Amino acid sequence: EDQVTQSPEALRLQEGESSSLNCSYTVSGLRGLFWYRQDPGKGPEFLFTLYSAGEEKEKERLKATLTKKESFLHITAPKPEDSATYLCAVQAERNFNKFYFGSGTKLNVKP
Amino acid sequence: NAGVTQTPKFRVLKTGQSMTLLCAQDMNHEYMYWYRQDPGMGLRLIHYSVGEGTTAKGEVPDGYNVSRLKKQNFLLGLESAAPSQTSVYFCASSLRDRGGDTQYFGPGTRLTVL
Repeated sequence: EDQVTQSPEALRLQEGESSSLNCSYTVSGLRGLFWYRQDPGKGPEFLFTLYSAGEEKEKERLKATLTKKESFLHITAPKPEDSATYLCAVQAERNFNKFYFGSGTKLNVKP
Repeated sequence: NAGVTQTPKFRVLKTGQSMTLLCAQDMNHEYMYWYRQDPGMGLRLIHYSVGEGTTAKGEVPDGYNVSRLKKQNFLLGLESAAPSQTSVYFCASSLRDRGGDTQYFGPGTRLTVL
């Protein structure tokens, strides 16, 4: 069964304290893995797409990496404005039209 | 570009009432999706469409119907609302890409069924 698990459920950091969020997945044939940011009361906002193991992408203080079983979202020197819920989703090769989402990691960065 | 828009933003229904949620996108995307988001459960796919005039069931389709009469619009209907349908509903659209298909989401509709 295709499944996505994110950990931790919640993470509290001090401003400048780097950390990583984890997304582990089980899917038969990965077509793509996606990271989104979601602010309270808003829709998910696209961050990254990763296609194959070993791939890395960066945007400002965020860096996403991918292995055959999991993805990490590394946050370097976070700021309070990075506080949000981060969602991970996978798309399987055998069914392009279905996406499986994790329940998210709620990040709180304190000044 | 407005991207993906949803109307209404909020709605309160009584059990048994019906309503339609409208999603519109101006990115000329072929694929459109309806999700519901409940606390601790992640986004779950209700229905999706791979093009104008076509729809298909997702993970949790019961109690919902959809229509895609125009490429830019995707409607989600509740014929007889139930308290279990209290949720936040998100619409998304995407293109078919060489690799994964990046979805772009609307701002959501918060629905409460009493």
